[in-house]
Amino acid sequence: GDSVTQMEGPVTLSEEAFLTINCTYTATGYPSLFWYVQYPGEGLQLLLKATKADDKGSNKGFEATYRKETTSFHLEKGSVQVSDSAVYFCALSQAGGGADGLTFGKGTHLIIQP
Amino acid sequence: GAGVSQSPSNKVTEKGKDVELRCDPISGHTALYWYRQSLGQGLEFLIYFQGNSAPDKSGLPSDRFSAERTGGSVSTLTIQRTQQEDSAVYLCASSSSYAQYFGPGTRLLVL
Repeated sequence: GDSVTQMEGPVTLSEEAFLTINCTYTATGYPSLFWYVQYPGEGLQLLLKATKADDKGSNKGFEATYRKETTSFHLEKGSVQVSDSAVYFCALSQAGGGADGLTFGKGTHLIIQP
Repeated sequence: GAGVSQSPSNKVTEKGKDVELRCDPISGHTALYWYRQSLGQGLEFLIYFQGNSAPDKSGLPSDRFSAERTGGSVSTLTIQRTQQEDSAVYLCASSSSYAQYFGPGTRLLVL
């Protein structure tokens, strides 16, 4: 079956550091890929998405590029802030319209220190 | 509001009791999903509804779990004869295109 693998953390960085959270996937066909974020005490929020190979999703300074050759969708941000502290989930969906259950990674807890 | 809403936000029950969890999707979204988030298992897909069609129940962990969706909108997830391992946050999401939008969840604690 489909699966998503991501570093679990916690990942601790200083403010303004460069961030990379690795995500790789195993799936048949051409899934859509997503990053969701869960801030402390809040629900899951869609951060960004990419629906086909070489697409780049971006939002709030975060970026991720759909790399089919390496089956990866790594999340990056050039300069993190304390407010970025959260748990980040990589996920995939087989149906292009999001019309199936998402397969999630286990989440990466990110801690940004001032 | 414009988002997915869930009720109750918290539920404490005794082992063996039945519980019902409710989800109101975003207006106009035809697809609705239930997930479970627990420390040991992470985020697990439970069940999916598309409009008024029969649901995809492939992710339900046991026959104690069931769900229905009335009129293609509100959904109820029912857990019968709850067990302690059912303790988790139950998340609902709705979708009309490429992404799913999540509600705040119901935190269930089975004593």
